Amino acid sequence: DAGVIQSPRHEVTEMGQEVTLRCKPISGHDYLFWYRQTMMRGLELLIYFNNNVPIDDSGMPEDRFSAKMPNASFSTLKIQPSEPRDSAVYFCASSRYNEQFFGPGTRLTVL
Amino acid sequence: DQQVKQNSPSLSVQEGRISILNCDYTNSMFDYFLWYKKYPAEGPTFLISISSIKDKNEDGRFTVFLNKSAKHLSLHIVPSQPGDSAVYFCAASKETSGSRLTFGEGTQLTVNP
Repeated sequence: DAGVIQSPRHEVTEMGQEVTLRCKPISGHDYLFWYRQTMMRGLELLIYFNNNVPIDDSGMPEDRFSAKMPNASFSTLKIQPSEPRDSAVYFCASSRYNEQFFGPGTRLTVL
Repeated sequence: DQQVKQNSPSLSVQEGRISILNCDYTNSMFDYFLWYKKYPAEGPTFLISISSIKDKNEDGRFTVFLNKSAKHLSLHIVPSQPGDSAVYFCAASKETSGSRLTFGEGTQLTVNP
């Protein structure tokens, strides 16, 4: 298995632009998680899905953030409009049981 | 409310010696604990886990100890190797929360040759 796949690996955009991060979980995993890592807040959970259904989005910072999982093999995290404080590394992870498997992350820079 | 805490942001040890990373939790409902290792520019990778019905789990050079009464767990690495230099995160979950994990802040381990 190729593991969790995230794209793009790096994204540089200007404030106000829309940003879409993509994730392909490991086949057979029924949980999918979106995290954000910053120096100030560490690794924080934004939202997670079970069987493509959002279970808990309480970590999503603002209405500017939205996430979808249209099928078992694809999820997106969208930021619209983006702001400089959104600059961080965004990780996607998937799991079947307790162990989560993380993707390589997307480093987002908003200028 | 930080339910999982790693109070040491960094740890430095000599190659060949033991590394001990500590983690405390406050939520007594947590019943499964994990350690992850993270290298720069990579995602965290699962290292070792322990269920609350055990007090020790060993995998090669890595051993995790759980003290439920103290709500404390530790990761022992022996012998430490320079390639172990990374950020280590502890995480905890509740059976009733499915696969959701609560992470600590991480400890940067540096193993000096």
